[in-house]
Formats: sequence, C-alpha cells, structure tokens
Amino acid sequence: GAGVSQSPRYKVTKRGQDVALRCDPISGHVSLYWYRQALGQGPEFLTYFNYEAQQDKSGLPNDRFSAERPEGSISTLTIQRTEQRDSAMYRCASSLAPGTATSTDTQYFGPGTRLTVL
Amino acid sequence: GESVGLHLPTLSVQEGDNSIINCAYSNSASDYFIWYKQESGKGPQFIIDIRSNMDKRQGQRVTVLLNKTVKHLSLQIAATQPGDSAVYFCAERWGNKLTFGTGTQLKVEL
Repeated sequence: GAGVSQSPRYKVTKRGQDVALRCDPISGHVSLYWYRQALGQGPEFLTYFNYEAQQDKSGLPNDRFSAERPEGSISTLTIQRTEQRDSAMYRCASSLAPGTATSTDTQYFGPGTRLTVL
Repeated sequence: GESVGLHLPTLSVQEGDNSIINCAYSNSASDYFIWYKQESGKGPQFIIDIRSNMDKRQGQRVTVLLNKTVKHLSLQIAATQPGDSAVYFCAERWGNKLTFGTGTQLKVEL
C-alpha cells in the first residue's frame, strides 16, 4: 500500500530563498510529524500535528521555520530566508492514532527531502 | 543512496550469527521505546517496540530487552542475514516526542 510520500526528494536552493517541503501522510493517519536528520545521526523532532492542529512546535530551530496542515492531511514545512546550516534531510512521519502521552501508535517515515542550501 | 552510517559505531557479524545492538537512553521518565532500521537512502523503518512496563518483547527473529534500572535497551537479531545490514536506531518517547539515539551500523559478512 501507499506509504508516506514527500516532495521534492531533492531541493537545492540559494541562501536567502524560501523553500516549501511537502509531506503526504498515509491515508487516514491522524498524526503527522516533522523531523530533521543530519548525516550519521538519528532524526531530530521538529513539530507535530493531530489532524490540522499543531500540537507541539518546540523543536523548530527558530522563527524562520513554520509548518501547517490546513485540512488535516497534507502538510508543508516552510523555511524562510534559508541559510547553509539548514542543509539536512527533512523527514516526515505519520501515525494512525493521535500522538498522546499514552498511545503507542507506530510512526511510519517517508523517504525524506534532501535540502541543500548553497 | 546517501550513507546513513557515517561515523557511527559499527557491529560486524557473520551471516547466520546472532547480533546484539545496544542503546543507552537518557530519560528515566520515557514510557515507550522503539527500534528502527534505516537502510541507505531510505527512511527509518519500524522493527519492534516495547512499553516501559515490560522488560522483554519478541518478534520475528528480533527481541528487544529493556533494563530500566540502568536505562539500557538492546535489540537481538537471530540468524542475521545480509538483508539486515543497515543502521539501527533506538528511540525513546517522553511526552509526545520521540528522541532518537546515535545509531549503530550493522554489517553482515558473508
């Protein structure tokens, strides 16, 4: 079946440009998560949504980063005025049940978007 | 594809042997733990999970052990196969967030 998809798979941009990364979760999945993964390291939490509501954005590095999920399905992570330090793999994950302190619903990861800022 | 395992600890095993991958987690309040497998160029793939009220859970060829006293998690893979070659991450959950460990590169030698 269809898993989590992300687009574009690769994005090269110049410093100062804005970029928008898209995530299409598994159909019917309530929760959607954004992570950033540096080479050789595990994914680092950025933010997550239950339905269209952003529940936690404590992992966003600064106010140049924002995310939305207006209809509770597809999500967009936007980075404004990109800097070279933003270069990384950005991963999206989704889970069937709402992310709560007690649920153990599995997070399924997408293939990621490799962002390179020149 | 990109190399996930750059500069990671490496475990090399012979095909058919058992593998044990270890992980130290940081938060004694974490209530849920997961092992993910990540192959080059792909996203992390769920392997097995365990809740904090358990100390052992078995899946198909994999077993996860949890020792809360020393905040240690291990993944055992039985009869390791070439397809098991990947980077393995443990993750702990506290609140609503997963925190991933550094990862271990597993190499299976024929």
